[in-house]
Amino acid sequence: QKEVEQNSGPLSVPEGAIASLNCTYSDRGSQSFFWYRQYSGKSPELIMSIYSNGDKEDGRFTAQLNKASQYVSLLIRDSQPSDSATYLCAVNFNNDMRFGAGTRLTVKP
Amino acid sequence: NAGVTQTPKFQVLKTGQSMTLQCAQDMNHNSMYWYRQDPGMGLRLIYYSASEGTTDKGEVPNGYNVSRLNKREFSLRLESAAPSQTSVYFCASSNLFGRDEQFFGPGTRLTVL
Repeated sequence: QKEVEQNSGPLSVPEGAIASLNCTYSDRGSQSFFWYRQYSGKSPELIMSIYSNGDKEDGRFTAQLNKASQYVSLLIRDSQPSDSATYLCAVNFNNDMRFGAGTRLTVKP
Repeated sequence: NAGVTQTPKFQVLKTGQSMTLQCAQDMNHNSMYWYRQDPGMGLRLIYYSASEGTTDKGEVPNGYNVSRLNKREFSLRLESAAPSQTSVYFCASSNLFGRDEQFFGPGTRLTVL
């Protein structure tokens, strides 16, 4: 059974702080990893993809992957109220994409 | 570019009724997917089409059928709706099956009474 686990939250951070979102997965052979953002009542949209161990930065977002620990995280620097949303982790293994249930993030002004 | 479009946006059915959800993409993507999203469950794959002319079952296919009409269009049919199928349904597409980012449509909110 391929599992993707996320803390459901809610995670609350003050404006300007760093938000840290975590995701663990069960299938050691997983090959590609994605973070999606989903605003309430809207569809998911891709924030970051990461395929190899280490960090990948894109603006205020940094994705971190550790395949040995089966762990992928998303850091949001200088968090803004507009970052308040649910963040979905997705993990692909052999063309089978699995999504976590999501972590709800609230950024308070 | 409209991206991925879905119709209808909302639908209420009675138990036993049938309906088809429509999805179309204009990004020339090869692969298309149907998901359902329930509170606390995340996105679960119902069916997918890796390329035009092929369809396969996902994680939760029971009670559904699909048709890949052409490269652009992928429909999802509920033959005899049940209350357990009350959910939000998302269609998505990607260029490379499984590996690429997926682009999602706006969703269909379905209630089965």
